[in-house]
Amino acid sequence: QQQVKQSPQSLIVQKGGISIINCAYENTAFDYFPWYQQFPGKGPALLIAIRPDVSEKKEGRFTISFNKSAKQFSLHIMDSQPGDSATYFCAARNNNDMRFGAGTRLTVKP
Amino acid sequence: NAGVTQTPKFRVLKTGQSMTLLCAQDMNHEYMYWYRQDPGMGLRLIHYSVGEGTTAKGEVPDGYNVSRLKKQNFLLGLESAAPSQTSVYFCASRMTGIYEQYFGPGTRLTVT
Repeated sequence: QQQVKQSPQSLIVQKGGISIINCAYENTAFDYFPWYQQFPGKGPALLIAIRPDVSEKKEGRFTISFNKSAKQFSLHIMDSQPGDSATYFCAARNNNDMRFGAGTRLTVKP
Repeated sequence: NAGVTQTPKFRVLKTGQSMTLLCAQDMNHEYMYWYRQDPGMGLRLIHYSVGEGTTAKGEVPDGYNVSRLKKQNFLLGLESAAPSQTSVYFCASRMTGIYEQYFGPGTRLTVT
C-alpha cells in the first residue's frame, strides 16, 4: 500500500512550458515533503522541500504548492528546459521513515 | 569530498548466493539508509541506522541484514539471494537535525 501517490507516471512538455506533478498522502504525521530529481544512472538528488506549515515554496523555476487540508502537494516547473528531463519523486517523512511516490518521468521537448 | 559512494556498481548473483553491498560516506553524517528502487514503486526503505553500532528495520527488511560498525560505513547483506531481490539499491545519509538525504550512485543487482 503506497502511502504517497504520485501522478502522472509520465509527462511530456514543450520547452518553455509548465510541468506539473501531483502527490497525495494519507498519514497526517508526515512533517517534511521533499521532491527529488533523478537522472538515468544516478542517485536521486534533493530539488526542493517544504514543511506543512507553509503553503508554497519557490526556488528559481521550481515551486512546491502544499494543501494541508487536502493532503496534497505539487511541483511546478516553470519555463521547462530539455535539461529538466529526468524522473521526479515526491516523498514524505515521518521520523526516520521516508515514503516515496512511484515517480514521474518528465520529457521536455526542444 | 566524495560524498556517498557505493560498491560495487553492478553485480549478478545466482539464486542462493550471498553478497554484501558497501556504502561509505565522508560527510560525518550520523544517519544512513538503504533503499531499493523498483520500476513503478519509487524507493522503499530497507534498513536504516541512526548512529554507529545501531540499525533498525524499514518498510521492506525481509531477506536483508545490515551492520554499522564504523560511522562512515553501512553494509547491506543478502544471505541467500532471491530473484525478487533484483533491484537497484541506493544508500543515503544525512546529518542530525537536517532532513535532506544525500544519495549514492546506486548498485544494480540482478539475481538469476
